[in-house]
Order: sequence, then structure tokens, then C-alpha cells
Amino acid sequence: GAVVSQHPSWVICKSGTSVKIECRSLDFQATTMFWYRQFPKQSLMLMATSNEGSKATYEQGVEKDKFLINHASLTLSTLTVTSAHPEDSSFYICSASTLAEITDTQYFGPGTRLTVL
Amino acid sequence: AQSVAQPEDQVNVAEGNPLTVKCTYSVSGNPYLFWYVQYPNRGLQFLLKYITGDNLVKGSYGFEAEFNKSQTSFHLKKPSALVSDSALYFCAVRGSNGTNKLIFGTGTLLAVQP
Repeated sequence: GAVVSQHPSWVICKSGTSVKIECRSLDFQATTMFWYRQFPKQSLMLMATSNEGSKATYEQGVEKDKFLINHASLTLSTLTVTSAHPEDSSFYICSASTLAEITDTQYFGPGTRLTVL
Repeated sequence: AQSVAQPEDQVNVAEGNPLTVKCTYSVSGNPYLFWYVQYPNRGLQFLLKYITGDNLVKGSYGFEAEFNKSQTSFHLKKPSALVSDSALYFCAVRGSNGTNKLIFGTGTLLAVQP
């Protein structure tokens, strides 16, 4: 149980294009999803918290117009990197929690490797 | 401010020996503590968590962790390491003060030699 998938697992795009990454909770309903970014050999950096049916809450320093997050249903959240640039190349990981309770566990997707040329 | 420290970038241990990966934390309110493991180019897998109750928490793959409130630590342990345990381990904390955000440590690379 508690499986989270991401699609695509990797993507290469040209500078200036937009890329959409999907995060799905396969066997549970996720009221909250989180989007992280991880640079090589570094820890996870929280980008935003996404609650179903409401606007995402972005962390300080994360451009909401560049990283568009949509949490349209209890099983799907999407992250769109708009007008991607090489510095956006990174490993993007989503996680989902089943309830809004503070003690709940976050379950992570396998990650998406984005390379912007 | 909430924070997590993993003082060791890398831990080396021989297969069959016990292993410990250290984690200390700072949080307002009661801590909710987690351990995750990450294999190369993969997401994080949940190992175990401490919310309340028994200080010794048992998790997946034979791992366990001990919550020590006085030392503000939550070290990950395993009695007998396997080569397949080699991976990147992250400690994370969440406070009980209303936020559900996880704060991650910098990670510890565990290398188990055959």
C-alpha cells in the first residue's frame, strides 16, 4: 500500500519549453502532496505544498509563476516547469500524505530527472 | 527554527557488523521523526517513524531507531548490515506546532563492504 508514482521518470527538453510532471497516489487518496527538488548529492528542498482543490503554498524563494502546481483530484498533482532553463535541471520528487493530520507519513514517488538543454 | 543534523556524510561498515547512522534534531513542540532511504536515481522509501510511545521503533528491512529526548537524537540502527543496505539515508523531523512540512537532514551515505 501507499504507492506514489511519477511520470515521466526522466525528460530532456529544450530551453524555453514547458514540462509537466505528474504525481499520482495509486492506492490511497492524498489530501496533501508535496513537491521537492534535489540537487546531486544534496538533500531535498521543499518547493511547495499542494492541497486538493486549493492553491499551492510555495516556499520562500520558489517562483510560483515558474513552477505551476495543480492538485485537481485526491490522486493527482502536477508540476509544470514553465520556460525551462538549464538551471532548472534537477531531480524533482513528489510525496503524498493520506490525511491532513500532522502525524501522517509522507510517501514518495520515484522522482523525475529533468534535463534542460 | 526546526532543523535536523546528520553529522556523518558517509558511514562505512563491513557486512554482518552492526551499523548506526546518526541524527539529531531541533524542533518546537513534540518531534515527529522519520527515516527514509534513497537508492540511486530513485525516490525516498519510508523506513520508520517515531510519533509517541516506545522509544525504540522498529521499521522495514530490519532497521530500528531509538528516540532519545534528552539527547535530541534519533539514531538509525541495524544489528547486522547487508551489502544491499548500501544507500543514502535521510532523517527528517516535523514539529507538533501546526505545520506538516518535513525538514530533512543532509543525508548519510551508507557503504557496506562485503
